[in-house]
Amino acid sequence: EDQVTQSPEALRLQEGESSSLNCSYTVSGLRGLFWYRQDPGKGPEFLFTLYSAGEEKEKERLKATLTKKESFLHITAPKPEDSATYLCAVQARNNNDMRFGAGTRLTVKP
Amino acid sequence: NAGVTQTPKFQVLKTGQSMTLQCAQDMNHEYMSWYRQDPGMGLRLIHYSVGAGITDQGEVPNGYNVSRSTTEDFPLRLLSAAPSQTSVYFCASSYSWGGAGGYTFGSGTRLTVV
Repeated sequence: EDQVTQSPEALRLQEGESSSLNCSYTVSGLRGLFWYRQDPGKGPEFLFTLYSAGEEKEKERLKATLTKKESFLHITAPKPEDSATYLCAVQARNNNDMRFGAGTRLTVKP
Repeated sequence: NAGVTQTPKFQVLKTGQSMTLQCAQDMNHEYMSWYRQDPGMGLRLIHYSVGAGITDQGEVPNGYNVSRSTTEDFPLRLLSAAPSQTSVYFCASSYSWGGAGGYTFGSGTRLTVV
């Protein structure tokens, strides 16, 4: 069965303190790995799709990377507005389900 | 563009009542889906549709029905509400299944069953 595990569950950073969020996955044939951002009381907002090991995507202070077993979301010099829950999801080639992890709740203090 | 619109935003039901959660999108997306989100758990797929007239079950379909008569609308029906269905429900859409641009989510319906 496809599984996604995100760590840590919660992360508190000072403004400017860079760090990484981890997404470990097990899937029978990866179609794509997705990162989303979710603010309190809102729906997830799409950030990145990664398809193959070694691929990287960047957006402002965020960079997502992918290996055969995990993905990292690197946050460089974060700002308070980066505070949110970050969700990882995988999609297998042979099924319609996008399997989500439980998320990492990031808090960036000024 | 309104994107994905969900109504209502909040709802309280009594055990055994039925209701319909509405979802509409104006992006001409073929793929639509319903998820539920519970504390400490990832989003779980309830039902999905790859186009008008076509629906299928996801991971947690029991107690829910869907239909897709138009491209724009994908309502979720709770047949006989139970406390275990207390959750936040999200509707999502994309141009196609597995679209590279990810899913567009609505803002959610927070449902409490007492």
